Amino acid sequence: DVKVTQSSRYLVKRTGEKVFLECVQDMDHENMFWYRQDPGLGLRLIYFSYDVKMKEKGDIPEGYSVSREKKERFSLILESASTNQTSMYLCASRAGTSNQPQHFGDGTRLSIL
Amino acid sequence: GDSVTQMEGPVTLSEEAFLTINCTYTATGYPSLFWYVQYPGEGLQLLLKATKADDKGSNKGFEATYRKETTSFHLEKGSVQVSDSAVYFCALSDLGSARQLTFGSGTQLTVLP
Repeated sequence: DVKVTQSSRYLVKRTGEKVFLECVQDMDHENMFWYRQDPGLGLRLIYFSYDVKMKEKGDIPEGYSVSREKKERFSLILESASTNQTSMYLCASRAGTSNQPQHFGDGTRLSIL
Repeated sequence: GDSVTQMEGPVTLSEEAFLTINCTYTATGYPSLFWYVQYPGEGLQLLLKATKADDKGSNKGFEATYRKETTSFHLEKGSVQVSDSAVYFCALSDLGSARQLTFGSGTQLTVLP
């Protein structure tokens, strides 16, 4: 089974802090994704990566950056956290072609105070 | 662009009732179709998939058939259990668009004992 592990289930940070969310997958997948999930807005893609050191913006990249230095790890960075970034963050990975499913981690519920 | 439309929730059923959650899609290419399930406080889990017309995906008693003529991928289960209470998401992945899944808005299912 594919295992996607997010470093924290719950996280509480302060406004203005730099926040790192980590995601690791164990299936040698080329593609990795970060989403946020909010009530009434569904899942929205923040960034994705199709290879080491490669990244592409999703639908809502503002206020976020990402890092992919190793194939198995994809980090989401909130440069200066704000209260409107309080959300559930979901990481996913996928093998090469888009007809393969994405596999999700358990999510990180992030609260910015 | 691609889109997925799911039936509005919430859906409340008694244990052992028959379940149908409707899903229709629009896509420019030849999509693969997926159903994901999200239990409270957790990430999304792949429930089943179908990659071409007339394919039937099945898992844990759930089934869905890829109907190209009606652009539908309805989820069904013959006898639901309390443990099936969750949010169900229909999604598509278009081979012409490598970047992401397009999700429906999700359907909340509650099964009462």
